[in-house]
Amino acid sequence: ETGVTQSPTHLIKTRGQQVTLRCSSQSGHNTVSWYQQALGQGPQFIFQYYREEENGRGNFPPRFSGLQFPNYSSELNVNALELDDSALYLCASSLGTSGTYEQFFGPGTRLTVL
Amino acid sequence: GQSLEQPSEVTAVEGAIVQINCTYQTSGFYGLSWYQQHDGGAPTFLSYNALDGLEETGRFSSFLSRSDSYGYLLLQELQMKDSASYFCAVGGQAGTALIFGKGTTLSVSS
Repeated sequence: ETGVTQSPTHLIKTRGQQVTLRCSSQSGHNTVSWYQQALGQGPQFIFQYYREEENGRGNFPPRFSGLQFPNYSSELNVNALELDDSALYLCASSLGTSGTYEQFFGPGTRLTVL
Repeated sequence: GQSLEQPSEVTAVEGAIVQINCTYQTSGFYGLSWYQQHDGGAPTFLSYNALDGLEETGRFSSFLSRSDSYGYLLLQELQMKDSASYFCAVGGQAGTALIFGKGTTLSVSS
């Protein structure tokens, strides 16, 4: 059974640029959630996708968008990057029909915005 | 809105028992989860309480009191490898998000 993978591991961008982060869910999981984790803080919920549809969103602006594909892999896109977007971005997969309290996290993408 | 409070730091020695408390305020409650995160690593699921009472998983136990909006994670027979950040989180019913606390950094010394 393959775990959750994310790419790239690290990324450096400049203000105003756009970035796409990728996540491959654990086999059989149909729900993916994305989180932003600033240094010393807990993960902050960005949004969740269930069977390719967004079914929940946290307090993040529209320049944060996502996609989930038929194979349940997903993307997080961030436009017009700001310095405060520097953080660890985590995706987590789960089997939505049985509840999402047990989520399986990927290792994250460390984004630095200069 | 939803908010969770937990201590920022806890220190203990090997072999000891430590309790990490979590109080929460939520609009609609589906359960309390606990996650462990080592430095630079991914959060990993430890336990979940949907109902009042104690859940035990090896050296770790988790407790929930819904009437008090309170829970705790109990770690017994501490080992150096238990040094990590521990997060409580609320939510988790199908289709809902997990909302995490700011985390408690546990340092275990010999």
